[in-house]
Amino acid sequence: AQSVTQLGSHVSVSEGALVLLRCNYSSSVPPYLFWYVQYPNQGLQLLLKYTSAATLVKGINGFEAEFKKSETSFHLTKPSAHMSDAAEYFCAVSEGNFGNEKLTFGTGTRLTIIP
Amino acid sequence: DTAVSQTPKYLVTQMGNDKSIKCEQNLGHDTMYWYKQDSKKFLKIMFSYNNKELIINETVPNRFSPKSPDKAHLNLHINSLELGDSAVYFCASSQRPAPYEQYFGPGTRLTVT
Repeated sequence: AQSVTQLGSHVSVSEGALVLLRCNYSSSVPPYLFWYVQYPNQGLQLLLKYTSAATLVKGINGFEAEFKKSETSFHLTKPSAHMSDAAEYFCAVSEGNFGNEKLTFGTGTRLTIIP
Repeated sequence: DTAVSQTPKYLVTQMGNDKSIKCEQNLGHDTMYWYKQDSKKFLKIMFSYNNKELIINETVPNRFSPKSPDKAHLNLHINSLELGDSAVYFCASSQRPAPYEQYFGPGTRLTVT
């Protein structure tokens, strides 16, 4: 079964600093990878997704992620953190064959922005 | 317009009761899902339906019974509620089964006392 591991359940960065959230995947086939964000008391919103096209994926709100097969990683970055980025971030991998695919989520990383 | 809506947003009930959560999507998607998020924020899929047909059932207890009356609705009925059922339940939909983007509802916080 495919899986993702998010390193660091809590990450704190200063406003304006680089945001780096780590995600490593385990997959025997080329994976489809996603980053979702969950703001307090809300549902999940897709930030970006990798589906075997470009390895550098740009998403919403200035976030991007790079797929590195050699490192089995899909880390999420943002050059300059904003207070509004404070949220829970989830990495996910899609597994299964056509018709019964499902998303398997990592355990999440809570991002805190320090003023 | 809300893309994926759930009712109720909060549900507080006692052990042993039966309750339902409703989900509706107005995106025209073929596939709908139920996820459970526990107190540690861990998200796990419970069910998926494609065109009203059950596709995924992730070893969920029989007390949980999803029902899809049409493509736009996927309801979750829970019998004999237990303390461990307390969680946030999210409904989601996608145009096709994954890896297409899934759109999530706002969640239903279920508290069993």
